[in-house]
Amino acid sequence: GENVEQHPSTLSVQEGDSAVIKCTYSDSASNYFPWYKQELGKRPQLIIDIRSNVGEKKDQRIAVTLNKTAKHFSLHITETQPEDSAVYFCAATNSGYALNFGKGTSLLVTP
Amino acid sequence: DTGVSQDPRHKITKRGQNVTFRCDPISEHNRLYWYRQTLGQGPEFLTYFQNEAQLEKSRLLSDRFSAERPKGSFSTLEIQRTEQGDSAMYLCASSLGGSEQFFGPGTRLTVL
Repeated sequence: GENVEQHPSTLSVQEGDSAVIKCTYSDSASNYFPWYKQELGKRPQLIIDIRSNVGEKKDQRIAVTLNKTAKHFSLHITETQPEDSAVYFCAATNSGYALNFGKGTSLLVTP
Repeated sequence: DTGVSQDPRHKITKRGQNVTFRCDPISEHNRLYWYRQTLGQGPEFLTYFQNEAQLEKSRLLSDRFSAERPKGSFSTLEIQRTEQGDSAMYLCASSLGGSEQFFGPGTRLTVL
C-alpha cells in the first residue's frame, strides 16, 4: 500500500519567516495530494491540494509543489503568522477515496 | 452548522463493552469515510461508502468493527467487545464524488 513520510515532525519559525514541510510517497500511481491543517482539539481542514497533472499550486501565502519523478511534494507557507501554528498533515491517494496521511508536522510560529 | 457532525463527541467505556458512533455527513455528499487517529499520528483510513454501499474496508477494520449507512445518509460505526487498543479519535468525513473530504469533529473513545 501507499506509504507517506513527512518531515520535519516539529518546526519552529519566527513570525514573518517562511515554513516548508516535505512529504514523500511510495506509490507512483498516487494522483491526489491534499494538505490538512489541524488545530488543537479541532477537525482537520483542507488548506490546499494538488493533482498529479500539475506541478505547482498557490493560494495567497500557501503553495504546494509536486515532483512526480522524485515522488515528493512540499508545502510552503510564506509570511507566517501566529495563527498558522497547528499540526499540518500531508496525504496521498491513488484510489480517489482512501487518503494515506503522513504523521504530521507541528508548526509553531512565535511572535 | 451545515458541516459534518458526529455524536457523541466523547465516549468512555469499559473493556469488553460495545459502542456505537454516529456520523451525519454534509447533505447531498454521496461519499462517507471513517478514519481513526491516535495521538501523534495522522488519520488512518478504515472504510468508505458510496451512497449506501460499503465499497472498501481497510485491514485495520477487524471483525469487531462494523459500519453501516442504511439510507445513504448518516452512518454508524460499531465496535464490539472493545479493547484498550481501540482508544482513539474516530473521524468521519464526507465528499461529493472524489472531491475534497470534509472532516467531522470526531468521537474520542477511551477504553478503560
